[in-house]
Amino acid sequence: EIVLTQSPDFQSVTPKEKVTITCRASQSIGSSLHWYQQKPDQSPKLLIKYASQSISGVPSRFSGSGSGTDFTLTINSLEAEDAATYYCHQSYSLPHTFGQGTKVEIK
Amino acid sequence: EMQLLESGGGLVQPGGSLRLSCAASGFTFSSYAMSWVRQAPGKGLDWVSAISASGTSISYADSVKGRFTISRDNSKNTLYVQLSSLRAEDTALYYCAKVAVAGTRNDALDIWGQGTMVTVSS
Repeated sequence: EIVLTQSPDFQSVTPKEKVTITCRASQSIGSSLHWYQQKPDQSPKLLIKYASQSISGVPSRFSGSGSGTDFTLTINSLEAEDAATYYCHQSYSLPHTFGQGTKVEIK
Repeated sequence: EMQLLESGGGLVQPGGSLRLSCAASGFTFSSYAMSWVRQAPGKGLDWVSAISASGTSISYADSVKGRFTISRDNSKNTLYVQLSSLRAEDTALYYCAKVAVAGTRNDALDIWGQGTMVTVSS
């Protein structure tokens, strides 16, 4: 099973700041890494697929990068509505797995 | 609009069973692999199982293998998971989710239901 480790676990950020969340895989997964946003009491929402592919309807301030074992989700110019927990997910091999999540709080 | 609607959750005793359903609408259900993902209260996302579009290829997390059974009825646009030998640690909100691209199980999950809660307690 591929283990995904996110860092940090928690981040408190001021609006308009840049946020960077990393996800490290226990073995190479190519670009089969996806990012989700989950707000309190809501279902997860797909933000980025295959490491860097944008999703229709997702604000352009969200971007992703990386390949192999190291991946990054970047939120440029954080907005209040971005307060949420962010998860990475690998679909390279079964069983699929998720990272433990990174909670982003707005100061 | 693509939608997924889970049902069937509830309170069950340890060792008991439950069947969850996920009704799909707004897309060609029979073309897409589907997954179940769960989330224990206050915890992160936990991948449970996936089934191919035809239903012939199935995978499970080690934590549920031998106890959970995923299935689908493409004529009814419905995904199922039979939960058996339930344990306290299976207590969670269970989501069904659709893969983004037809024809593969190994893909991002682009549509999620609202979840159905399963509580295992005596």
